[in-house]
Amino acid sequence: ETGVTQSPTHLIKTRGQQVTLRCSSQSGHNTVSWYQQALGQGPQFIFQYYREEENGRGNFPPRFSGLQFPNYSSELNVNALELDDSALYLCASSRESGAYEQYFGPGTRLTVT
Amino acid sequence: GENVEQHPSTLSVQEGDSAVIKCTYSDSASNYFPWYKQELGKRPQLIIDIRSNVGEKKDQRIAVTLNKTAKHFSLHITETQPEDSAVYFCAGVPGGYQKVTFGTGTKLQVIP
Repeated sequence: ETGVTQSPTHLIKTRGQQVTLRCSSQSGHNTVSWYQQALGQGPQFIFQYYREEENGRGNFPPRFSGLQFPNYSSELNVNALELDDSALYLCASSRESGAYEQYFGPGTRLTVT
Repeated sequence: GENVEQHPSTLSVQEGDSAVIKCTYSDSASNYFPWYKQELGKRPQLIIDIRSNVGEKKDQRIAVTLNKTAKHFSLHITETQPEDSAVYFCAGVPGGYQKVTFGTGTKLQVIP
């Protein structure tokens, strides 16, 4: 069974640029959630994708968008990057939407300068 | 929406002692409560979880209790070891989908 993977590991971008982060879900999982974790804080829910549809969204502006592909991998896109977007971005997959265990990927560390 | 509060923010215990971390939640629709352990620079790892139809769950040295009436749940670690040192997060999940609301974290230090 393959675990959750994310790419890239680290990324440095300039304010105003756009970024795409990628996540491959664990084998057998059809649900992917994305989280932003600022230094010293708990993960904040961005949105969830279930069977290629957005299935819930946290308090993030529309410049945070996502996609899920038929193989259940997912992308997080952030436009017009701001300094406060610097954080660890985590994705987590689960077997189904609902109260099922989530398994996290290693994260992508984004630095915006 | 859900609000999860977690206490204490830091906790130091001697090796072999017990550690207790407490969380409260606001949304009565929450019915699933996972606990995650996050070591420095690593991903959060699920260590135990509890559903709202259960009052207590135990897995070796780790246990979680849930009081639905009071809307609080707790993590208990017995016989702590240095490798238990990490940041622990509680979370609440409402029925229907996986919008997991995390607490603010507890940094546990186990002193050898």
